[in-house]
Amino acid sequence: DADVTQTPRNRITKTGKRIMLECSQTKGHDRMYWYRQDPGLGLRLIYYSFDVKDINKGEISDGYSVSRQAQAKFSLSLESAIPNQTALYFCATSDLTDQPQHFGDGTRLSIL
Amino acid sequence: SQKIEQNSEALNIQEGKTATLTCNYTNYSPAYLQWYRQDPGRGPVFLLLIRENEKEKRKERLKVTFDTTLKQSLFHITASQPADSATYLCALDSPGSNYQLIWGAGTKLIIKP
Repeated sequence: DADVTQTPRNRITKTGKRIMLECSQTKGHDRMYWYRQDPGLGLRLIYYSFDVKDINKGEISDGYSVSRQAQAKFSLSLESAIPNQTALYFCATSDLTDQPQHFGDGTRLSIL
Repeated sequence: SQKIEQNSEALNIQEGKTATLTCNYTNYSPAYLQWYRQDPGRGPVFLLLIRENEKEKRKERLKVTFDTTLKQSLFHITASQPADSATYLCALDSPGSNYQLIWGAGTKLIIKP
């Protein structure tokens, strides 16, 4: 089984809908991250969490929200999806900030 | 703000040769720099981390160098194989982003048999 699991793997939805992407991990890491990846651009950080009580905005948090339900679970929500949020979304975990990050296989989100 | 530059053009290398990928950054020197591999439809996978006080790091056929004077890291794959074909990403820490990683767009490496 994968250490970092993202669901769903693919999602097509319409403008204005609320979307939730889920991430769970079995690595026992405290730190969890949400990124988006667009063609020709590097991964951009949306939100990150150091533990269940510590949530921080990343570079591009506008239009997104997150919830850290437990050490192992970190979900990303788009309250009212818009087409320019169409992208590949990745969840990652790490033991400490300066340690390697471990990624899920992503959610491909298309907003029509 | 810090910018990371990786060659956006695909790098084509003959099997058995050494592939060298470049990661340049524009401003301050990071405390550490990481290299990842990404296959189509998959998440990035960590390969190597090199810290500012290290010149070189090796792991099997992989070698990373870090030159803070040139503001550059080089990633080498020796005796390259078609299975090494993937996109390679570099990432470094950023004080301007609360020491979270910022990422290059990656270089696609194609190893031809």
